[in-house]
Amino acid sequence: EVQLVESGGGLVQPGGSLRLSCEASGFTFSDHYMDWVRQAPGKGLEWVGRSRHKVYSYTTEYAASVKGRFTISRDVSKNSLYLQMNGLRPEDTAVYHCVRLFFHGSDYFTDYWGQGTLVTVSS
Amino acid sequence: DILLTQSPSFLSASVGDRVTITCRASQGIGSALAWYQQKPGQAPKVLIYAASTTQSGVPLRFGGSGSGTEFTLTISSLQPEDFATYFCQHFNTYPLTFGGGTKVEIK
Repeated sequence: EVQLVESGGGLVQPGGSLRLSCEASGFTFSDHYMDWVRQAPGKGLEWVGRSRHKVYSYTTEYAASVKGRFTISRDVSKNSLYLQMNGLRPEDTAVYHCVRLFFHGSDYFTDYWGQGTLVTVSS
Repeated sequence: DILLTQSPSFLSASVGDRVTITCRASQGIGSALAWYQQKPGQAPKVLIYAASTTQSGVPLRFGGSGSGTEFTLTISSLQPEDFATYFCQHFNTYPLTFGGGTKVEIK
């Protein structure tokens, strides 16, 4: 059974840092693209960034709103995906979801979502 | 960035109704679109991917169609468990973006 379990959320002051983790199980972690997606309280969904799979050396992409502040990485030995968040702003307050993707046709689509971890940026 | 415009943003319907939600992309995205259902306090659930392919385990009353810039999600006969918020997402280019959501409520 595929499982994605996020952790590491909490309350942080503006300008602070936080590292989120996503522990994956039930599949070969290195074979899948992985995304981070966030949802501010009562708002819509926002794509944060991506880690490609092993074939593409786990290269990354980011939304403009987080580029230069957030970094996505993996530890394949621990089946874990990370989101290092620096320079946090109040507008980064959201539930952060770890998402698995699969390849279909010529595109990658999501199939499994974690329940998310809440990050609150406030003084 | 590709803008996805969902309509309506809110709809009120009865059990048994046929419901259609539209997602329009600001530029062509082929079939690189998915639909999600989200209930309060839960993660989104994938309903449809590649515009028209139903995810395994999703009831057959959910269907997707469209390509290019206009897409639809249809629920053929609304059931009590279908009252939720629905989102579209494109996978064509970076950054990926989502539609603003359609909240389906009981009439």
